Amino acid sequence: DSGVTQTPKHLITATGQRVTLRCSPRSGDLSVYWYQQSLDQGLQFLIQYYNGEERAKGNILERFSAQQFPDLHSELNLSSLELGDSALYFCASSVGHRENYGYTFGSGTRLTVV
Amino acid sequence: QKEVEQDPGPLSVPEGAIVSLNCTYSNSAFQYFMWYRQYSRKGPELLMYTYSSGNKEDGRFTAQVDKSSKYISLFIRDSQPSDSATYLCASGGSNYKLTFGKGTLLTVNP
Repeated sequence: DSGVTQTPKHLITATGQRVTLRCSPRSGDLSVYWYQQSLDQGLQFLIQYYNGEERAKGNILERFSAQQFPDLHSELNLSSLELGDSALYFCASSVGHRENYGYTFGSGTRLTVV
Repeated sequence: QKEVEQDPGPLSVPEGAIVSLNCTYSNSAFQYFMWYRQYSRKGPELLMYTYSSGNKEDGRFTAQVDKSSKYISLFIRDSQPSDSATYLCASGGSNYKLTFGKGTLLTVNP
């Protein structure tokens, strides 16, 4: 167990729907990162939050949004889902807002859009 | 050109073999270099971390970084079936998010 908790583990939903993925960072970590992993693109950085504030944005679609709450857990909201959004979504956390020593990843949420 | 390129393999070796995994990167500002191991249906876990150029050894694993050629390597000695996983290289800098290679799938056959 890495200490980063992601729920749900699996999600199957229809096109056009909206889902919320949840992440609890490792105890003491203030930064949360969201990544999308697909076979053809690999791990793609979506967005980072540090202590409740958005810190950096990567290749995140406008249909996707995220937030980090005062208790430091984070949610990734995916809306108007398309077949191409099917992927593994990982949350990672780190102590600071820089990645000097790497991240700790959760086990991921496998999203299937049908 | 992707910032971090990695040969996706797959790579299949017999138990006990020396494994060499490689990546190249293009951003000269990258200073931190890492290797992650990802078992099937699991999240990536940090395996090795290197700052700037040089070697780092941890048990059967050795990470090498050559900043002059922008080349990152991971060597696994006496490979074991339990080493079978996808290995991802990652690079980053002070103002840069970690950028990952696509991963190399390694199978070590008993």
